[in-house]
Amino acid sequence: QSVLTQPPSVSAAPGQRVTISCSGSSSNIGNNYVSWYQQLPGTAPKLLIYENNKRPSGIPDRFSGSKSGTSATLGITGLQTGDEADYYCASWDNTLNAGVFGGGAKLTVL
Amino acid sequence: EVQLVESGGGLVKPGGSLRLSCAVSGFIFSSYSMIWVRQAPGKGLEWVSSISNNGANTHYADSVKGRFTISRDNAKNSLYLSMNSLRAEDTALYFCARIVEPHHFDRWGQGTLVTVSS
Repeated sequence: QSVLTQPPSVSAAPGQRVTISCSGSSSNIGNNYVSWYQQLPGTAPKLLIYENNKRPSGIPDRFSGSKSGTSATLGITGLQTGDEADYYCASWDNTLNAGVFGGGAKLTVL
Repeated sequence: EVQLVESGGGLVKPGGSLRLSCAVSGFIFSSYSMIWVRQAPGKGLEWVSSISNNGANTHYADSVKGRFTISRDNAKNSLYLSMNSLRAEDTALYFCARIVEPHHFDRWGQGTLVTVSS
C-alpha cells in the first residue's frame, strides 16, 4: 500500500485530455512539493513535472501539474499513442523522514 | 552529457549481501544529493535511500533501514548501496538518480537487477 494514492489505470482516446490524481496527507503533499515521472515500457523513469507545476526543458506544454491541499493532479492534453506509459507522483514525507512515490497509474490511449 | 551507470546487481541467496555502484559523469557530482529507487518486477517505484551532496545526511525507507547503507565517494564520482540480510522482497531493478533540491529527480540511470533467491 503506497503512501500516495493514484488510480491504477486511466484511459482516453487520442487527442483527448486525461487527468491523473495523487492523494496524500499533510505530512507529504500538504506541506511539500510534488513531482511527476513518466515511465515508458522497459525504460527508466523520466521527470515530467517538478515543484507541483513546473516543466523541465524539453517537456511539451501538453503536460501540466497542479496541487491543492493534500492532492495533486497531472494533466495531459492532446493525447498521443506515445503517451502510453506508467505515471508516478512523488513527494517528501515529514513523518517518515523519507521520500514516497504513488503506486503508479497506467495510461492507455485507446 | 549527464550519465549515470549502475552496476553490481546479480543473483544472491537470502541472507546474503551485495554492493551496488552508480558511476556518474557529465556534472559536478559533489554538488548534488543522490537517491536509490527500486522497482520490483511488474510493480511500481519504491523510494529506497538518499544521501546529501557531502554524505553527511542519509535517509532510508523503513523497509531497508538497518540492512542497507548508502554512501558516496565524491573523488570517484560514485554512489553506492551496500545491502545486507537480503530478502526475496528485495528483488528489484535498482535505479540511481540525481536529486535537485528540494526533492525531485532529474536524471536517472538505466538500473541494475538484483535477484534474491535460493
